[in-house]
Amino acid sequence: DQQVKQNSPSLSVQEGRISILNCDYTNSMFDYFLWYKKYPAEGPTFLISISSIKDKNEDGRFTVFLNKSAKHLSLHIVPSQPGDSAVYFCAASLNRGKLTFGQGTILTVHP
Amino acid sequence: GAVVSQHPSRVICKSGTSVKIECRSLDFQATTMFWYRQFPKKSLMLMATSNEGSKATYEQGVEKDKFLINHASLTLSTLTVTSAHPEDSSFYICSASAPGANVLTFGAGSRLTVL
Repeated sequence: DQQVKQNSPSLSVQEGRISILNCDYTNSMFDYFLWYKKYPAEGPTFLISISSIKDKNEDGRFTVFLNKSAKHLSLHIVPSQPGDSAVYFCAASLNRGKLTFGQGTILTVHP
Repeated sequence: GAVVSQHPSRVICKSGTSVKIECRSLDFQATTMFWYRQFPKKSLMLMATSNEGSKATYEQGVEKDKFLINHASLTLSTLTVTSAHPEDSSFYICSASAPGANVLTFGAGSRLTVL
C-alpha cells in the first residue's frame, strides 16, 4: 500500500519558469511533510518541510503548499535553474517518526 | 551541519558472500539510525530502525537474518547483507537525525552489486 504517491515520474521545465511537483498521501494522521532532492548515486538532501498546522512554507525559490482536505502537497520552484535537475522525493511522517517516501519525480530543467 | 558518512560507496561481491556497510554520524551522536533501500525508479523503502544498544526494529517483509544491523555506538551503525544474492543488488542508504533537528540527514548511499 503506497501511502505517499508521486504520480508524475518526470517533469521537464524551461529555465526561469516555475516547476511544480505534486504529492498525494492517504494517511490523514501524517502531520509532517518534507521534500528531499537526490542526485544520482548520492543520498537525498533535505530541501524544505511543512507541518500540518500550516498550509504554506517558503524558503527562497522553494515553496511547499499543503492541502490537508485534499491530502495533497506540492513543491514550487521559481525560477527553475538547470542545477535544480534531480529526483525529488516527498516524504511524510507521524509525530516526527519514520519517514514514508513517495516514488520520486525526475525534474529536468532545460537551459 | 550534521554529516552522515557511509562506506563503502560501491561494493561488488560474489553470490553467497556477506557484505558490511557502515554508517557514521560524524559530528553528532545518533541514538537512532535508519536504513533504506532504493530499487531502480522506486521509492526509498525503510528497511529497519537501528537503535543504539538494543535490537533493531525491522519493517514488515524485511528478513532479520538476512540484513543484520548492529548499532554498537552512538556514532556507528552497520548493515550486513548475509549470503548475498543477485536480488540483493540495490542502493542502500542510511540516515540519522541530529539532536534537536526535525529532519533526517542521509548518507551518500552504498551501491551493492551481487554477481
